[in-house]
Amino acid sequence: GAVVSQHPSWVICKSGTSVKIECRSLDFQATTMFWYRQFPKQSLMLMATSNEGSKATYEQGVEKDKFLINHASLTLSTLTVTSAHPEDSSFYICSAPTGSGVGETQYFGPGTRLLVL
Amino acid sequence: GNSVTQMEGPVTLSEEAFLTINCTYTATGYPSLFWYVQYPGEGLQLLLKATKADDKGSNKGFEATYRKETTSFHLEKGSVQVSDSAVYFCALPPGGSEKLVFGKGTKLTVNP
Repeated sequence: GAVVSQHPSWVICKSGTSVKIECRSLDFQATTMFWYRQFPKQSLMLMATSNEGSKATYEQGVEKDKFLINHASLTLSTLTVTSAHPEDSSFYICSAPTGSGVGETQYFGPGTRLLVL
Repeated sequence: GNSVTQMEGPVTLSEEAFLTINCTYTATGYPSLFWYVQYPGEGLQLLLKATKADDKGSNKGFEATYRKETTSFHLEKGSVQVSDSAVYFCALPPGGSEKLVFGKGTKLTVNP
């Protein structure tokens, strides 16, 4: 099956710093990738849709200036948490469909655990 | 838009017990339906899917049938193992999009 990687797997940073998380599709190209946030014991919350070569589409209530997304190539999307604060601590997961249609199977990265002190 | 309602847990079973996790959906048309599994500390993995009504998805002993009459996609396994301990998510596209909408997740713990 398709493989999606994330880096780093976990990160601890000080409040006020920025953190970049990478999401890579290793064996397929992805024009679209998705970024989710998962709180402890809760479901996944879609943050944004990352589109290769164009601006990301953010879900309602997600601050685009806080969570910067760049999809610079067909295999890489990055999420930068700017001026991180403790409330940004969470588990961030990316996914990518192997196709371009509705209902395509999405493949998920292993997640990045962010702790902001 | 499309949505799913998933049985909330947690669910605790003994090894070799029968498992059912309920999932019902509300949708326009007949979108693909998915079950994803999340093992502790990991991301999500596709467990199984069904792309049209009456389809049965199966994988690793798990099964789910896409039932339009009851708008359900319940996950079942005849004999669970300790290694099945994980959180299970029901999901479907919200409509006209590649995105997925997830249920709240059901945590399953299987004791030896």
